[in-house]
Amino acid sequence: QLQLQESGPGLVKPSETLSLTCSVSGGSISSRSYYWGWIRQPPGKGLEWIGSIYYRGSTYHNPSLKSRVSISVDTSKNQFSLKLNSVTAADTAVYYCARHPSIAVLSRFDPWGQGTLVTVSS
Amino acid sequence: DIQMTQSPSSLSTFVGDRVTITCQANQDISNDLNWYQQKPGKAPKLLIYDASNLETGVPSRFSGSGSGTDFTFTINSLQPEDIATYYCQQYENLPLTFGGGTKVEIK
Repeated sequence: QLQLQESGPGLVKPSETLSLTCSVSGGSISSRSYYWGWIRQPPGKGLEWIGSIYYRGSTYHNPSLKSRVSISVDTSKNQFSLKLNSVTAADTAVYYCARHPSIAVLSRFDPWGQGTLVTVSS
Repeated sequence: DIQMTQSPSSLSTFVGDRVTITCQANQDISNDLNWYQQKPGKAPKLLIYDASNLETGVPSRFSGSGSGTDFTFTINSLQPEDIATYYCQQYENLPLTFGGGTKVEIK
């Protein structure tokens, strides 16, 4: 059974870089059949897609985050990662990683990791 | 960006009742719509994909319909374990976008 687990610092200072890793178990991130994505949810609010990556490195991200987002993949560790720079309090959220069960990024998310809360505060 | 408008934002009803949630897109998205359930403190879970297909293992009291710009999500005979917030998500175009959510409570 495929499982995803987010990890990273729970507290980041304003203007610094948020860095998270999603570890995949029960399946290979190098599968040709899937994209892998990041979604976030500010406390008490809705869901926002951040971006997605294919194991070969092709990435798509939400233009609302402009050029602050970087998503990468490490197939040797079966992980993919998110970096969001110049963070502000508005970036405080639960961050989820998830799989697109499709070779297309234009698809659904299933399954999801449990999520990790990242707070931006000095 | 494609905007997804869900209604109502919250509802409260009785166990056994039928629950209907609507999701409207601001442009034609064909049947490129998914529905998720999020229980408090948990990650979202896929229930319905491609507007009307029930994900494996999901109870048959959940269903979805619609195409184009108007979509409906239904729970037939609401159960106590269905207390959650439900979200629609379109995948017609990037960026992928979600509706604002519908919180379902029991009276």
